[in-house]
Amino acid sequence: DAGITQSPRHKVTETGTPVTLRCHQTENHRYMYWYRQDPGHGLRLIHYSYGVKDTDKGEVSDGYSVSRSKTEDFLLTLESATSSQTSVYFCATRQGINYGYTFGSGTRLTVV
Amino acid sequence: SQQGEEDPQALSIQEGENATMNCSYKTSINNLQWYRQNSGRGLVHLILIRSNEREKHSGRLRVTLDTSKKSSSLLITASRAADTASYFCATDQGGSEKLVFGKGMKLTVNP
Repeated sequence: DAGITQSPRHKVTETGTPVTLRCHQTENHRYMYWYRQDPGHGLRLIHYSYGVKDTDKGEVSDGYSVSRSKTEDFLLTLESATSSQTSVYFCATRQGINYGYTFGSGTRLTVV
Repeated sequence: SQQGEEDPQALSIQEGENATMNCSYKTSINNLQWYRQNSGRGLVHLILIRSNEREKHSGRLRVTLDTSKKSSSLLITASRAADTASYFCATDQGGSEKLVFGKGMKLTVNP
């Protein structure tokens, strides 16, 4: 999707290792979000940011942390990966709360 | 918890037919949004309808909103094979900074 890049696109990691996913935007959007998508659960919010250094938890934040040191980048860190964190992770951004999201292409993470 | 719930969960139709998907939600909203997701891709924003709007159109898409029933519907007219995707509704729970998504509905349009 134009303006939002997620990296890596695919990753396989071992249980217990830390993992960082990156979301980079060129839209200058204030809000950034991390969701995970799992069969039967739809999309669930992990963390979101409403400005540089301003973040808040979503409904499934345990085991995850985030950082946003500049407008363009929103990092999601799995502190010690577990098999239950195997999922597809989507970053999304938006200009304001009365706008729709723009989604990245996703990161498929497998924890073995 | 899931705010929006799409119904039906899966729909299979022939090309040219209309497809109607419904979404029910529980709390008050400022706006409701619909998204499409093609297999293996990110979600794409289709349309946003505000709580003071009853109907909105965008191309072949028509969205209605009934806040008294806490429900919305998405109508795709004259469907095409390319409309095959999963569709999600999302709500902002009364103006929250974050959206809550339903589990999605899979639409298959057969050529």
